[in-house]
Amino acid sequence: QVQFVQSGAEVKRPGASVKVSCKVFGYAFSNYAIHWVRQAPGQNFEWMGWINVGNGNTKYSQRFQDRVTVTRDTSANTGYMELSSLTSEDTAVYYCARSSCGDDDCHSYAMDIWGQGTMITVSS
Amino acid sequence: DIQMTQSPSSVSASVGDRVTITCRASHGVSGFLAWYQEKPGRAPRLLIYAASYLQSGVPSRFSGSGSGADFSLTISGLQPEDFATYYCQQAYSFPPTFGQGTRLDIK
Repeated sequence: QVQFVQSGAEVKRPGASVKVSCKVFGYAFSNYAIHWVRQAPGQNFEWMGWINVGNGNTKYSQRFQDRVTVTRDTSANTGYMELSSLTSEDTAVYYCARSSCGDDDCHSYAMDIWGQGTMITVSS
Repeated sequence: DIQMTQSPSSVSASVGDRVTITCRASHGVSGFLAWYQEKPGRAPRLLIYAASYLQSGVPSRFSGSGSGADFSLTISGLQPEDFATYYCQQAYSFPPTFGQGTRLDIK
């Protein structure tokens, strides 16, 4: 059974960084991309970036380009998203999701499996 | 970025009803359109991809149509488990963007 398990909720101070993990089960991890999408309270989904797990290539939304790093550990079947220089506007639920990939284009595919989400609260 | 606008923002319906949600893109997205279902505390669920293809395991009462800039999601014969929030998402142009959601409530 395909399943994603994300790390637990965290509270961070403004200016800090956070790293969210997404462990996957039930499929060949390297054959797909992992995307990161967030949803602030009462707001819309916002796509942040993806990693092609097979070759490690990444692509980020321009909005987060300078602050987000997406990585993966293929030996642990786990993807990671690190967001730095946090502000209160980064308070949101962060989701990992899977998609297929073309030739270095993983954003033209629907995201077919999603994690349960990780709540990140930024507060002083 | 391509803006996705859903309508209505919310709708009330009864079990057994047929409901249609629309999604309009600010620029054409060909058929690169997906629909997702979201329930509180649950992982979002892919329902429809490539505008009209039913994701494996999704009941056939869900259907999608459209191309270019105008799309719709129809649920025929609402079931109690269908009351949720629905989102469209375009995958044609980078970055992927989502509609603001349509909340489907029980009447």
